Amino acid sequence: QSALTQPASVSGSPGQSITISCTGTSSDIAVYKFVSWYQHHPGKAPKLIIYDVVHRPSGVSNRFSGSASGNTASLTISGLQADDEASYYCSSYTSFITAVFGTGTKVTVL
Amino acid sequence: EVQLVESGGGLIEPGRSLRLSCAASGFPFDEYAMHWVRQVPGKGLQWVSGIYSNSDKVGYVDSVKGRFTISRDNAKNSLYLQMNSLRVEDTALYFCAKDLHHYVSDAFHMWGQGTMVTVSS
Repeated sequence: QSALTQPASVSGSPGQSITISCTGTSSDIAVYKFVSWYQHHPGKAPKLIIYDVVHRPSGVSNRFSGSASGNTASLTISGLQADDEASYYCSSYTSFITAVFGTGTKVTVL
Repeated sequence: EVQLVESGGGLIEPGRSLRLSCAASGFPFDEYAMHWVRQVPGKGLQWVSGIYSNSDKVGYVDSVKGRFTISRDNAKNSLYLQMNSLRVEDTALYFCAKDLHHYVSDAFHMWGQGTMVTVSS
């Protein structure tokens, strides 16, 4: 149950696109293809923005998109906005009724 | 409106026990799996435990197996986490989260605000 690996930080200017990677193992992302992404502003509850690799919950902006290949998933934020500045976490289902989060990525809007 | 309200946190000595509760409202509680997720202040999220909608199956992160027990009472729309043999490293903000599905997945759709557990002598 090791945490999925994410870059510690990613930055971009308003309007740009950024991509956050999430690397797992043959025990999680590569096998189950169940990957979710969360946006977490300090002091607030985390917010689900992507589930099942590519799906957005109702109300989530289409500026957020997800993909996966092999044991790596990615979150792309297009048209970067000031309010996108937050921490982002990936997660994956693993074996034996468990889940695991990524190490987290701090997104800075320059 | 979906609401998840955690309670039961506090300051506790190592080796002692604590029971967290999560009161749910605004959705058919008995149709969704539920989870506990924790966050050490300043650190990342860690999934702790999950339970199917009908309590049929449960799962735990390795570090709490044998010490923590997740349960739910669908009649009371409540989720629980019994934490025994607490350790300093269990100190964290504990979130209750609703799954998108009736089975345990990694899609934590709605979250509470959390309850803080501090394990210290």
